[in-house]
Formats: sequence, structure tokens, C-alpha cells
Amino acid sequence: AQSVTQLDSQVPVFEEAPVELRCNYSSSVSVYLFWYVQYPNQGLQLLLKYLSGSTLVESINGFEAEFNKSQTSFHLRKPSVHISDTAEYFCAVSEDFGNEKLTFGTGTRLTIIP
Amino acid sequence: GAGVSQSPSNKVTEKGKDVELRCDPISGHTALYWYRQSLGQGLEFLIYFQGNSAPDKSGLPSDRFSAERTGGSVSTLTIQRTQQEDSAVYLCASSLSGQLRYGYTFGSGTRLTVV
Repeated sequence: AQSVTQLDSQVPVFEEAPVELRCNYSSSVSVYLFWYVQYPNQGLQLLLKYLSGSTLVESINGFEAEFNKSQTSFHLRKPSVHISDTAEYFCAVSEDFGNEKLTFGTGTRLTIIP
Repeated sequence: GAGVSQSPSNKVTEKGKDVELRCDPISGHTALYWYRQSLGQGLEFLIYFQGNSAPDKSGLPSDRFSAERTGGSVSTLTIQRTQQEDSAVYLCASSLSGQLRYGYTFGSGTRLTVV
């Protein structure tokens, strides 16, 4: 069975500093990997995803994540954060053989300090 | 519609009462999912509908929880004899069949408070 671990429940970061939100998964088969973001008082939105091909994927707002199969990780990074990045971030995994169910991590709350 | 619509957005109910939560998925999306988001718990899978197939109910926490999907579109999640531990945000999502690669589209959720 698949599972996702987000090691940090809360991450405070100063504005314009870099950030890394960690995600590790457990699965015995190939996977699809996702990061979702939930801004305050809003629903979940897809931030970026890894399906196949290049292991480095990027979002339109400067975040990137790298799929590392040997370490079973999909950490989310941004070189310089902004106040508007304050949100909760969820990592999710789905096994790549017809199972359409996403398994989510417990989330990481990113707080940007001015 | 343009997005996944959930109603009501907020629901306060007394312990022991039954509640119904509604989800209207994106038109054409054949897959529909219910998740529960509790404080500090992340998203917990509840149930998954795909077309006319039997739903995957493996995530329902007890027999007080049930869901149906009429006509392959609108879905209702019913919680009978609500308990305080049922308090959470209930999220609905939909996706194109076989197109999980594009991720789910989530609704804004129903915040359920059991008092």
C-alpha cells in the first residue's frame, strides 16, 4: 500500500529566503506524485506533478520539486519565498497502474515572516 | 459547471442528528472522490466513484457514513447519528476517467461542526 510522509508540520521562513518542504513516499510500484497548495480559507489547488520523464518539475509561481526514486522523495523547493506563499502544502501519491486514488500526507504549514 | 461545487459551505448540527453533504462535480468528470480534512490529520480518503462501477468504500470510518452518486453526476455524503469526532472539513473532488495524471479538482469543502 502507498503512503506519504511529510516530516515537517510547520515551517517558518523569512521573506526572500529559500525553502524546502520535505516529502517521502512508500510504494512498491511506479508512482505519480503531486503537490497541492491550500491558501487560507480556500480549497486545494494543484501546484505541480511528476508523471514520468524529467525528474525536475516546476510550477508557474517559482516552486519546483525533484523526484528521487532511490530516496523515494519528492521535496518541494523555492529559492526565494514571498508573503503570498503562506499556505498549507500537501504532498500526494498515486500508484501508476490504474488506481486513481490519491494518498495525501498530513501537510506542511508554510509561514512567511516579513 | 466550471468547478466542483459543494453545499452547504458550513453546517452546524447537534450530536445524534443526520446530515447530508452535496457535491456537484465538473461536467464530464466520471470519477468523484470524498475526503475528510481534520485539524492536523491531513486528508483522509473516504469513498471513490468511477462511472457505473461499484464504489470504493474502503475509507469510510464507520457504518454511519454512506454516499451515493445519482446519474453519474451529483453525489451526497450522509452521516447518520453524528458524533463530535465527525467535525471536519469534507472535501469533494472530481477527475476525468483514467486521467489522474492531471490531478483532481477539489471543491471548497463543507465545514461540519457537531455540537
